[in-house]
Amino acid sequence: ETGVTQTPRHLVMGMTNKKSLKCEQHLGHNAMYWYKQSAKKPLELMFVYSLEERVENNSVPSRFSPECPNSSHLFLHLHTLQPEDSALYLCASSQDYRGGEKLFFGSGTQLSVL
Amino acid sequence: AQTVTQSQPEMSVQEAETVTLSCTYDTSESDYYLFWYKQPPSRQMILVIRQEAYKQQNATENRFSVNFQKAAKSFSLKISDSQLGDAAMYFCAYSRGDMRFGAGTRLTVKP
Repeated sequence: ETGVTQTPRHLVMGMTNKKSLKCEQHLGHNAMYWYKQSAKKPLELMFVYSLEERVENNSVPSRFSPECPNSSHLFLHLHTLQPEDSALYLCASSQDYRGGEKLFFGSGTQLSVL
Repeated sequence: AQTVTQSQPEMSVQEAETVTLSCTYDTSESDYYLFWYKQPPSRQMILVIRQEAYKQQNATENRFSVNFQKAAKSFSLKISDSQLGDAAMYFCAYSRGDMRFGAGTRLTVKP
């Protein structure tokens, strides 16, 4: 069983839909992350949670709304997305939120916005 | 802001040969960490190797080794005895707080 599980694996949604991405980590880590991966671009850090508190929000549009109900679960709520939001969304976790920590990733959700 | 640059969008190597992937980064800090991650078609990013900037010795993990040149801000990855399973996207990353990634290099391994 992978340490970080993401569902769904694929998602197609219209611009007026509301959907959520789910991430669960089984590693006992204290920090969780959302990254956006677009073709031929560096991974973009979207949100960071440490001990269930949001510690960073990198100027992400409000149509993306994160939620971290406990240290094992992380959600990304999506609403009124744009076609340019189509990308692979990766969840990651680390033991703690500090420099040098190894990140453990899930397999991502491939999102297509029509 | 720290930036990570991978100048080789694509590389190829013959099976059993050696290949080197390049990475440069920009920072004004002296204490930081560098990583190489591999992303196979399964999409899950897997840690290949980690280097602490304050250590002069280059990190190695089996067939994977790095050439860390701190003054030049260079962090290349050498893969020896390449195997078909090494085919993937490889990402260089810098961390002093958040982890920042380069755009990646796609490695093809030819049988």
